[in-house]
Amino acid sequence: AQSVTQLGSHVSVSEGALVLLRCNYSSSVPPYLFWYVQYPNQGLQLLLKYTTGATLVKGINGFEAEFKKSETSFHLTKPSAHMSDAAEYFCAVSDKTGNQFYFGTGTSLTVIP
Amino acid sequence: SQTIHQWPATLVQPVGSPLSLECTVEGTSNPNLYWYRQAAGRGLQLLFYSVGIGQISSEVPQNLSASRPQDRQFILSSKKLLLSDSGFYLCAWRSSGTRNQPQHFGDGTRLSIL
Repeated sequence: AQSVTQLGSHVSVSEGALVLLRCNYSSSVPPYLFWYVQYPNQGLQLLLKYTTGATLVKGINGFEAEFKKSETSFHLTKPSAHMSDAAEYFCAVSDKTGNQFYFGTGTSLTVIP
Repeated sequence: SQTIHQWPATLVQPVGSPLSLECTVEGTSNPNLYWYRQAAGRGLQLLFYSVGIGQISSEVPQNLSASRPQDRQFILSSKKLLLSDSGFYLCAWRSSGTRNQPQHFGDGTRLSIL
């Protein structure tokens, strides 16, 4: 079965600094990978997804992620943090049917002014 | 475009009372539907998912149940709530057409058990 590990349950960065949120997956087949963002008392919003093709994926709000098969990683980055980026971020991988998703435990991002 | 609706947004219920949370999706047909629970400061726990009317898969044994009476309606129920049922409940849908489609989430229901 697939699993997702998000290293660091809490990450703090200064406004304008690089954001790096780590995600490693365990999958026996080429996976579909996703990043979601959750603001307080809201549902999850899709940031970006990797399915096939280009390994560097660009998403909304200036975020991007790179699929590295050799490292089984899908880390999320943003060159310059904004106060509005403060939220919970979840990495997810789907099973081979696409019907079930496996979510990481989330990383809470704090942006320091 | 597709939209997902969950209600109510917040709910306060006494222990032992029944529960019914509803989720509907518009703008798509035969979606996969999901119920998740998110405890405070925790990740998502998949409770139920459905790939069609009347087809429910349960991921965890508990006092909750789910039903899908119509193609785009998914209901989460309980006959008697426990304190441990408190949490943030999220409904999601996904297009069943291809394997690489993401899940799309509703705004959630905050359930507090007293």
